[in-house]
Amino acid sequence: AQKVTQAQTEISVVEKEDVTLDCVYETRDTTYYLFWYKQPPSGELVFLIRRNSFDEQNEISGRYSWNFQKSTSSFNFTITASQVVDSAVYFCALSEPPGRRALTFGSGTRLQVQP
Amino acid sequence: DSGVTQTPKHLITATGQRVTLRCSPRSGDLSVYWYQQSLDQGLQFLIQYYNGEERAKGNILERFSAQQFPDLHSELNLSSLELGDSALYFCASSPQGSGYEQYFGPGTRLTVT
Repeated sequence: AQKVTQAQTEISVVEKEDVTLDCVYETRDTTYYLFWYKQPPSGELVFLIRRNSFDEQNEISGRYSWNFQKSTSSFNFTITASQVVDSAVYFCALSEPPGRRALTFGSGTRLQVQP
Repeated sequence: DSGVTQTPKHLITATGQRVTLRCSPRSGDLSVYWYQQSLDQGLQFLIQYYNGEERAKGNILERFSAQQFPDLHSELNLSSLELGDSALYFCASSPQGSGYEQYFGPGTRLTVT
């Protein structure tokens, strides 16, 4: 069975600090996709990034960066120079095998950025 | 704005009642997914439809059912409601193909009293 673990329940930082959100996954599939979603206080789920299992290249998008390490089954998310607007719950997710594309979500990490 | 719409935004109803949640996917997306988000269970996949046909089932109760219509909108029907069904219900859509990201609607918050 597939599983996503986000061990950090809540993280609190002060604005401009860097913060890393951890994600560890389990799957027996060789082809899979990993995602990060953001859920701000307003409640919607916002797609941030998708990564497939064959692409271990790290990605940077502005203040956001993602580190995918297949050897440790991790897909960590770093926010550089955090801002108050980054305060949200962040979910890591794993897609299931071809034919069933539902997402398995982790339990989420609540990030609070204090001014 | 993800392009996925859900109605209603909020729903308050009593135990034993039946409700219908509606979802319109993004233009061109054939797949629709339903998820439930509750405090104790987190975000859980309920059911997926692709171009009108059921494609996959997750942790969906027998009291719940869904369908996708020819215009691709989808409805999630919840019946014999219990207090524990109170949750945020999300609809998501994705393009055809493997591994595409899912775009989520704003959700329907259901409160069962």
